[in-house]
Amino acid sequence: EAGVTQFPSHSVIEKGQTVTLRCDPISGHDNLYWYRRVMGKEIKFLLHFVKESKQDESGMPNNRFLAERTGGTYSTLKVQPAELEDSGVYFCASSQDGGSSYNEQFFGPGTRLTVL
Amino acid sequence: AQSVSQHNHHVILSEAASLELGCNYSYGGTVNLFWYVQYPGQHLQLLLKYFSGDPLVKGIKGFEAEFIKSKFSFNLRKPSVQWSDTAEYFCAVNAVTGGFKTIFGAGTRLFVKA
Repeated sequence: EAGVTQFPSHSVIEKGQTVTLRCDPISGHDNLYWYRRVMGKEIKFLLHFVKESKQDESGMPNNRFLAERTGGTYSTLKVQPAELEDSGVYFCASSQDGGSSYNEQFFGPGTRLTVL
Repeated sequence: AQSVSQHNHHVILSEAASLELGCNYSYGGTVNLFWYVQYPGQHLQLLLKYFSGDPLVKGIKGFEAEFIKSKFSFNLRKPSVQWSDTAEYFCAVNAVTGGFKTIFGAGTRLFVKA
């Protein structure tokens, strides 16, 4: 079974440019999460999709970040315009929705974003 | 607010030494607990998890962790580390009350000297 994949693995852009990150969850996983790790800090939650709906976007830093999951499959995270403080590693994770209290999330390899 | 605290940011050990990484969490209600590891150049991998049942859980590569509910702790242990255990270790928690968004600790960088 294929795991969670993310594209690109690295992105270097200049301040003010736009970048779009993509995440493909494990097939059949309704839940999709985005997390971010800024250099030297902890991994922080950004948002959670259940299928195509945003369940929780309380972690999104500001309105320069836009996440979508059209059709409930892959998701994109767009940063527009990018700022220096957006640099970090963006992780995606997915999980099944078993309706229980257990939730194991499977993480992708991350996209390392560098804003110059 | 929910939080996870890892006691050590950097740990240096010699091979064959014993390891214990502390983790405490602040989260009301029933929780799921995890330890993840990130080896140099690789992505996050699940080391072990606790959902319910026996509070002593065993993971991959000889790691284990003990959930002590009264102390809100989930410490990671390994009796004898190897050079290949050099990595960054993350304690994490999620819960149905939080929509399962995972809260991570800051991470502990372990360096094992050969």
